[in-house]
Parts: sequence; C-alpha cells; structure tokens
Amino acid sequence: DADVTQTPRNRITKTGKRIMLECSQTKGHDRMYWYRQDPGLGLRLIYYSFDVKDINKGEISDGYSVSRQAQAKFSLSLESAIPNQTALYFCATSDGRRGDTQYFGPGTRLTVL
Amino acid sequence: EDQVTQSPEALRLQEGESSSLNCSYTVSGLRGLFWYRQDPGKGPEFLFTLYSAGEEKEKERLKATLTKKESFLHITAPKPEDSATYLCAGINNNDMRFGAGTRLTVKP
Repeated sequence: DADVTQTPRNRITKTGKRIMLECSQTKGHDRMYWYRQDPGLGLRLIYYSFDVKDINKGEISDGYSVSRQAQAKFSLSLESAIPNQTALYFCATSDGRRGDTQYFGPGTRLTVL
Repeated sequence: EDQVTQSPEALRLQEGESSSLNCSYTVSGLRGLFWYRQDPGKGPEFLFTLYSAGEEKEKERLKATLTKKESFLHITAPKPEDSATYLCAGINNNDMRFGAGTRLTVKP
C-alpha cells in the first residue's frame, strides 16, 4: 500500500463549487504539505502543517484553506473554485526529526470548468 | 526573491550518451538542495539531498553535485528507463522552492 494517498485522483467541477481534496499518510510523519503543479511553473507551496495545531500559509494560499484533522490527515479546500485553480495538486509529508526530505503522494488532477 | 532555475527545459539523449542537468539557485540561507524524479501522472520521487558545497551523492547512473550557486545532476550512460522529469528544490527555514524541471528523454 502507498505511504501517502490522495483522494480523489481526478475531479472535474464547475466554477463556484466547493471542493475538498484529502491526503492520508501511514509514514508516521509529523509534517504535511500541499502543493500545486502547473506546466512550466514547477511545484508551488500552498499550505503546510508541522503538527495538528500548526498551520502555515505557503507561497500561494489565496483561495485555499486547509484542515489538519489528525497527524495522518491533511485536507485542502477550495471554497469557491475558479478556472485558474485547474492544476495538479500534491500532498507531501516529512519527518521533522530526520531532516527536510519530503515524500509525495500520487497527486489529484483538478479541472475547474 | 528566492528562486530555483533549471536548464535545459528539455533534453533528448541517445541511450549511452552521458550529459548533465543544471539547477541554479538563489535561496537565502539554503539548508539543503534536493533532486526528485517525476514520471508522467505520478508524484515526485526523492533521489538525493545535498547539504554543503562540494558534496556529491550517487545512485546507479545518477550523480548529484553541489556548489555555492548551483547543482548538477550527471547522468552516465543513460537508459530509456531514465526518461522522466527531474526536479530540483532548495529549502531555507520552512519554505521549499522548486524549479520547473528538466524533461529528459532517452532514445534506444
């Protein structure tokens, strides 16, 4: 089984809809991250969390919110989706006690029409 | 502004033709430089972390090196299965900045 799982893997939605992307991990890591990937722009950090009570904005947090429901679960919400949020979304985890290496999930392809 | 720039954007090699991918960075207080491999439709897969100038790490046909301004990923005698996008990223404090990647194609 994969260490970092993301659901759904693909989602098509309409402008103005609320969307939640979910991430779960079995690696026992304390830190979790959400990124988006756009062609030619690379991965950009949306939010990150170092433990259940710690949430921090990343480079591009506008239009997004997150919830860390448990050490193993970190969800990303788009309150009112817009077409320029169409992208690949990746969740990642790291073990703060062992360095900065991040391990990524398989991604969610989100299309906003 | 912290930035990571990768070149070239795309690279096509014949099987066995060695080459290098470049990652230049301007990340203040760089704590580590990372290389990842990404296959189509998948998440990035960790390859290497480099922490100080002069450091080198190897894995099969790949070798990563680091200077004070850039990192190189050397690919020796590549095989078609090495075809992928290679990403580098620099981290300072809590913020990891990724480059846009180099898309490598190795023809048999």
